[in-house]
Amino acid sequence: GAVVSQHPSRVICKSGTSVKIECRSLDFQATTMFWYRQFPKKSLMLMATSNEGSKATYEQGVEKDKFLINHASLTLSTLTVTSAHPEDSSFYICSARLDRDEQYFGPGTRLTVT
Amino acid sequence: AQSVTQLDSQVPVFEEAPVELRCNYSSSVSVYLFWYVQYPNQGLQLLLKYLSGSTLVESINGFEAEFNKSQTSFHLRKPSVHISDTAEYFCAVMGGSNYKLTFGKGTLLTVNP
Repeated sequence: GAVVSQHPSRVICKSGTSVKIECRSLDFQATTMFWYRQFPKKSLMLMATSNEGSKATYEQGVEKDKFLINHASLTLSTLTVTSAHPEDSSFYICSARLDRDEQYFGPGTRLTVT
Repeated sequence: AQSVTQLDSQVPVFEEAPVELRCNYSSSVSVYLFWYVQYPNQGLQLLLKYLSGSTLVESINGFEAEFNKSQTSFHLRKPSVHISDTAEYFCAVMGGSNYKLTFGKGTLLTVNP
C-alpha cells in the first residue's frame, strides 16, 4: 500500500525558534499534499494544500507567513513553523493524494514549544 | 461548503458487543464519504469509503457503513467488537473538485473486557 512518512515524529523547540517538518510519499508521487493540525480531543483542521511546483493554498485563518509550506518535489513537502510559540504546540499530520479520492496520511509529528 | 457531525464523542462498549458510531453530513454537492481510524499518537488509517454504487461498504476487519442519502448519514457498525478496536474514529466527507476532506470531531470507541 501507499506509505507516507513524516520526520521528525516528535520535536521540542524553544519559543522563538523555527522548526521544519518533512512529509514524504515513499512509494508514489503526489502532486498534492495536505497539512493538518490536530488539537487534543479535536478533529483535524486542514491548514493548507501543498501543490508541487506552486504556492500552497492556505485555509482561512491560517497565517501563511508563520506556517511556510514548500512542495519542491513530487515526493516531499515541508512545513516550517516560524518563530514558534507555545500555542503552536500541536500534532501536525500530513497526507498525500494518490488519486482523486485517495489520501494517505503520515504518522504525525508532535510539536512542543517550550 | 460541507460539514460533518459525529453525534457521540465517546462510546464505551464491552468486548463482543455490537457498536454503531453515528455520522451525519451536509453538503451542497455530491460527496464521497470516509471513515478513518486513529490509534494513539499515530496518523489516520482509512477504514472504508463510499464513492458510488452499493450503499453498504465493508472493511476487511468487520466494520461496515451504509450511505443513506435521504438521511444524509454514513453510520459505522460492527456486530462484535474486540479490545483491539479501541481507537478514535473519524468520519469525513469530500465534495466538489478540490478533493479536500472535512472531518467530524471524532468518536472515541473504548472496548472494555
